[in-house]
Amino acid sequence: NAGVTQTPKFRVLKTGQSMTLLCAQDMNHEYMYWYRQDPGMGLRLIHYSVGEGTTAKGEVPDGYNVSRLKKQNFLLGLESAAPSQTSVYFCASSYGTGGKNEQFFGPGTRLTVL
Amino acid sequence: KQEVTQIPAALSVPEGENLVLNCSFTDSAIYNLQWFRQDPGKGLTSLLLIQSSQREQTSGRLNASLDKSSGRSTLYIAASQPGDSATYLCAVRRAGNMLTFGGGTRLMVKP
Repeated sequence: NAGVTQTPKFRVLKTGQSMTLLCAQDMNHEYMYWYRQDPGMGLRLIHYSVGEGTTAKGEVPDGYNVSRLKKQNFLLGLESAAPSQTSVYFCASSYGTGGKNEQFFGPGTRLTVL
Repeated sequence: KQEVTQIPAALSVPEGENLVLNCSFTDSAIYNLQWFRQDPGKGLTSLLLIQSSQREQTSGRLNASLDKSSGRSTLYIAASQPGDSATYLCAVRRAGNMLTFGGGTRLMVKP
């Protein structure tokens, strides 16, 4: 069981470039999430998905798009990267959203936008 | 808007001490509260989850309590060890499938 995996681990982009971050989970979880972590700001939710084919906005969705074409994968896209998107990105998944449901996190992707 | 605060932001203790990390939140309408550990350059590892109807959860040397009415949770670490050095994050789940995180407490346990 790999749990939640993320690719790539590191990436450097120039302003205006695009890229896609991939998250995969092998726990058959329905819910998946993308967060960003910035110094002094904690983790903030970007987008999330409650099942295959669905997506919803989180706290800081601007400048990002997501897709959930397969239950096990959740993609985060940056169409035109900006320096303000320099951050560490974490993907998470959970079985559901009830009181007992924990979120399990991937190892993160460190993105630098020059 | 839910706000989560963790105090202190950093803590340094000698090995063997018992310690308490604090987490406070402004909106008591939560489903659960989760404590995580984050090692430098790594992801988050879930330590304990307390449902809104529970008062505490224990796992080994860790004990987490929840007082929903006062908007507080504490994480108690008994007999601290150098391997406990990490950043500890609390997060509350509210409606809309969202976790709101605190800023974390960076713990260093000195041998």
